[in-house]
Amino acid sequence: QISLKESGPTLVKPTQTLTLTCTFSGFSLRTSGVGVGWIRQPPGKALEWLALIYWDDDKPYSPSLKSRLTITKDTSRNQVVLTMTNMDPVDTATYYCARTLYFSGTYSFDYWGQGTLVTVSS
Amino acid sequence: QSALTQPPSASGSPGQSVTISCTGTSSDVGGSKYVSWYHQHPGKAPKLMIYEVNKRPSGVPDRFSGSKSGNTASLTVSGLQAEDEADYYCSSYGGSNNVVFGGGTKLTVL
Repeated sequence: QISLKESGPTLVKPTQTLTLTCTFSGFSLRTSGVGVGWIRQPPGKALEWLALIYWDDDKPYSPSLKSRLTITKDTSRNQVVLTMTNMDPVDTATYYCARTLYFSGTYSFDYWGQGTLVTVSS
Repeated sequence: QSALTQPPSASGSPGQSVTISCTGTSSDVGGSKYVSWYHQHPGKAPKLMIYEVNKRPSGVPDRFSGSKSGNTASLTVSGLQAEDEADYYCSSYGGSNNVVFGGGTKLTVL
């Protein structure tokens, strides 16, 4: 059974760095073709893709946020970590992690976490 | 402003069919076979309904179908049911290892 779960702070102050962890089970990032991505959704607004990390450590980033994002994986712990620097109130959103399969459904996300709401406020 | 354009709303009566459009450019929808559709119920995570333009993940009813013509992709929901009422999002490979989403369409079952 595949599951993903996001964890991290619910409140961060402007200019701080956000660190989110995605802990997953039922699949492995050691498996060829597997990737985990981050997508966010401001309240009442649309989805926005942030970053991906693949089994081979390829790491595509959203061009508009690339300078602020870092994605890493810990295959032994089945975790993917996303950091976002210089947080701003406009970054207030629900942050989701989700699985993708490079060889079957590239750039689509077939399993999602429940999401975690991050509020940026002083 | 989202990269892909969707109508804000769509509606249909139970049993009817409804089609939601997703318009991009030749750099994303028009030039890619990697178009996906998701639905999202309030307070829930998105669920993948269509990938690679017209493929359905296991467990998704065949009432959901996808297609593409030029720079516009479409999702058709046939035999509308009450549980189909949700927000629908399209996404596409946007070139240069980028993924772009649409602004979302709220589907109402009348």
